[in-house]
Amino acid sequence: DVKVTQSSRYLVKRTGEKVFLECVQDMDHENMFWYRQDPGLGLRLIYFSYDVKMKEKGDIPEGYSVSREKKERFSLILESASTNQTSMYLCASSSRDRAAWGANVLTFGAGSRLTVL
Amino acid sequence: AQRVTQPEKLLSVFKGAPVELKCNYSYSGSPELFWYVQYSRQRLQLLLRHISRESIKGFTADLNKGETSFHLKKPFAQEEDSAMYYCALTAGYSTLTFGKGTMLLVSP
Repeated sequence: DVKVTQSSRYLVKRTGEKVFLECVQDMDHENMFWYRQDPGLGLRLIYFSYDVKMKEKGDIPEGYSVSREKKERFSLILESASTNQTSMYLCASSSRDRAAWGANVLTFGAGSRLTVL
Repeated sequence: AQRVTQPEKLLSVFKGAPVELKCNYSYSGSPELFWYVQYSRQRLQLLLRHISRESIKGFTADLNKGETSFHLKKPFAQEEDSAMYYCALTAGYSTLTFGKGTMLLVSP
């Protein structure tokens, strides 16, 4: 019944390493999102995509990039991981049923907890 | 800019007590408001949205444009309501803006 799958539940990386976080959804959703979730800070949007090969910066894109080569897959890339990127990363997707697409319900993955040493 | 404020980081109540999780927003137009919930070891999921005007798991929330609030209420809290609750807003064609969340703890 899993609809949004994040490939890694826990990762431990070293400062300066390149990190890939993968997300796959099987609901044929057009929109996909990457958030980071930190205690006391809530959810902050990193990047989102509304179509294949399209991407838009969210509120905190610095230090991150994304890739969407296929509709079902949205990857988050940390080019050179730093300790302040230690966090829980949540992937989400939504349909484009409504033109005001922020109003479409998000389906979240289980999260990827990244620790950068 | 749109903003969502959840003033309480933690709300602790006893089973059977009424619950109100506060959410205030700043936006001059007509926003759409949501409550998302994350139970322990579960995924973040939608609880309810104001356009549906529904009650989910006994929770209700009314959009008060005059007070720019969307407080989540339940008359009698249950232990299984313990979770992290996020209020979220979208306006026009924007993405969702989340509040910082309120942890609800319901004690027996």
